[in-house]
Amino acid sequence: DAGITQSPRYKITETGRQVTLMCHQTWSHSYMFWYRQDLGHGLRLIYYSAAADITDKGEVPDGYVVSRSKTENFPLTLESATRSQTSVYFCATPRTELSNGELFFGEGSRLTVL
Amino acid sequence: AQSVTQPDIHITVSEGASLELRCNYSYGATPYLFWYVQSPGQGLQLLLKYFSGDTLVQGIKGFEAEFKRSQSSFNLRKPSVHWSDAAEYFCAAGGGADGLTFGKGTHLIIQP
Repeated sequence: DAGITQSPRYKITETGRQVTLMCHQTWSHSYMFWYRQDLGHGLRLIYYSAAADITDKGEVPDGYVVSRSKTENFPLTLESATRSQTSVYFCATPRTELSNGELFFGEGSRLTVL
Repeated sequence: AQSVTQPDIHITVSEGASLELRCNYSYGATPYLFWYVQSPGQGLQLLLKYFSGDTLVQGIKGFEAEFKRSQSSFNLRKPSVHWSDAAEYFCAAGGGADGLTFGKGTHLIIQP
């Protein structure tokens, strides 16, 4: 029961660099989500996807790009990283297709932008 | 706008004492409600959820939560905490296509 795999788990980069965080699910569920977690803010939704080739903005999408060419993959790209994007990023998908919003989370990707 | 409020940023409880973590939501209709727990350096684990029906729901690790429509609240409780309960706790609401809205979290500290 692998569920969701995020990579890399840890990444240090410099301001202005492009970074891609990968998310892979083994269930082929339709919906996938990207959240960022910051102290004092909890988790905030960046982007989500309802199916392959269908994506939509969440609460904090600026500075991020997503794609979903395959159902099982949902990469998140920071095209030009900024210090304010230092955060822990979580990918999530519903536990089942009918789980009424209950999300299952990956272990997170901790990104530091210097 | 949808929102979830956890009024307590930190809570300190003695081991063996009872615990209540507060959560209030603001939604157009009654959303699905969740409590998640996050241990240091880990992902989020679902403790319990409320969809409908009995307003007192039981979860894992001895936790329970009570939904009160009149107060727009979904408080988490445990009768006797253990040192291993020290963690960050998140209340969340939603269930639609756009995922969950999370509170800012409550950091639980257990005193020996």
